[in-house]
Amino acid sequence: QKEVEQDPGPLSVPEGAIVSLNCTYSNSAFQYFMWYRQYSRKGPELLMYTYSSGNKEDGRFTAQVDKSSKYISLFIRDSQPSDSATYLCAMTRNSGNTPLVFGKGTRLSVIA
Amino acid sequence: KAGVTQTPRYLIKTRGQQVTLSCSPISGHRSVSWYQQTPGQGLQFLFEYFSETQRNKGNFPGRFSGRQFSNSRSEMNVSTLELGDSALYLCASRPTGTEGYNEQFFGPGTRLTVL
Repeated sequence: QKEVEQDPGPLSVPEGAIVSLNCTYSNSAFQYFMWYRQYSRKGPELLMYTYSSGNKEDGRFTAQVDKSSKYISLFIRDSQPSDSATYLCAMTRNSGNTPLVFGKGTRLSVIA
Repeated sequence: KAGVTQTPRYLIKTRGQQVTLSCSPISGHRSVSWYQQTPGQGLQFLFEYFSETQRNKGNFPGRFSGRQFSNSRSEMNVSTLELGDSALYLCASRPTGTEGYNEQFFGPGTRLTVL
């Protein structure tokens, strides 16, 4: 079993839809949870990060972490064609020296 | 501030050859990490360097090695290339010495194809 599981999709939605992306993990030591967005031929860029359990909102994006269930989610409201990309969840044990562990990524297409 | 740069962007090699990839971190960032991205395995951590010392290492064979120079620039080397080494190799740098999460900033990657 991989430490982080993420449904690879692909996921196709109409413009304006609410998108839900999810990851599960097995290592209870993870403390920081991130969502990265990767456009074609580009490196990943950080969208949001959350420390421990809870919700975090930034514009159209909301990240949720449920450590008791080892489950994290990213919601995108009013999705736009420009949101079409691969979304990667990542997590790490602490902010300092431990490397990121990534999910495989979910490819999202938002159709105009 | 300039972002993370990686050279070359694309590379084609044959089995058995070796390859060196280069990464220049964001100015002031002393930590540089390398990741391999493939469709089958996703993004996997290779190693991290900080102040010219390897601080963490992922689960890759010894054919994968790296180093960091005094100006924080880093190189990774893959010897005796295999077909399975075809991947996007990503470099990331991050600031250190601050509390809380230190964001990793990724470069555009080097696309390596092994024939």
